[in-house]
Amino acid sequence: ILNVEQSPQSLHVQEGDSTNFTCSFPSSNFYALHWYRWETAKSPEALFVMTLNGDEKKKGRISATLNTKEGYSYLYIKGSQPEDSATYLCAFIKRRETSGSRLTFGEGTQLTVNP
Amino acid sequence: DSGVTQTPKHLITATGQRVTLRCSPRSGDLSVYWYQQSLDQGLQFLIQYYNGEERAKGNILERFSAQQFPDLHSELNLSSLELGDSALYFCASTPGGPSYEQYFGPGTRLTVT
Repeated sequence: ILNVEQSPQSLHVQEGDSTNFTCSFPSSNFYALHWYRWETAKSPEALFVMTLNGDEKKKGRISATLNTKEGYSYLYIKGSQPEDSATYLCAFIKRRETSGSRLTFGEGTQLTVNP
Repeated sequence: DSGVTQTPKHLITATGQRVTLRCSPRSGDLSVYWYQQSLDQGLQFLIQYYNGEERAKGNILERFSAQQFPDLHSELNLSSLELGDSALYFCASTPGGPSYEQYFGPGTRLTVT
């Protein structure tokens, strides 16, 4: 059983604050890490797919870094806005085996941004 | 709108019954993934198909089966339904394998009574 952990479980910040959360995953047999944003009553929306150690990706005010050697990824949100309120999920993919690759999701970090 | 469609949106059925959930991927996407989200659990990967062939299997029960057709739409069949099968079922599509972003459909809410 693969262990993908996200912390914190939930976070409340004020509008304008910058924030970050963590996804921890097994450091061996790494293939890829996905980040998704999931708003209530909607479906998950892809943010980033990260495959290389040291990867840094950015989309607007949201960015992510990846450390495959130590098994963690950080997601940063600069200047949080109320519309950033959502659950942020990471998904780990182990190096392809004969049976293919499966995604293991973390439980998510629930972010609430107060106006 | 991700371009992935799922039908039906809601389904209410009784224990012991069988249902089929349908997913049409984005145009050009060859790979379809199925996920289950129960009330007390996070998003669980069930199964992946690529161009008609099963590629990866997750926590899919033996009572569940899936297939991907030549036109690339996929169906998830759930049989001998139990109360615990009540969940939101998502499908997602990508052009290829797991290094691509996944585009999720709106989900099918299944309620077993």
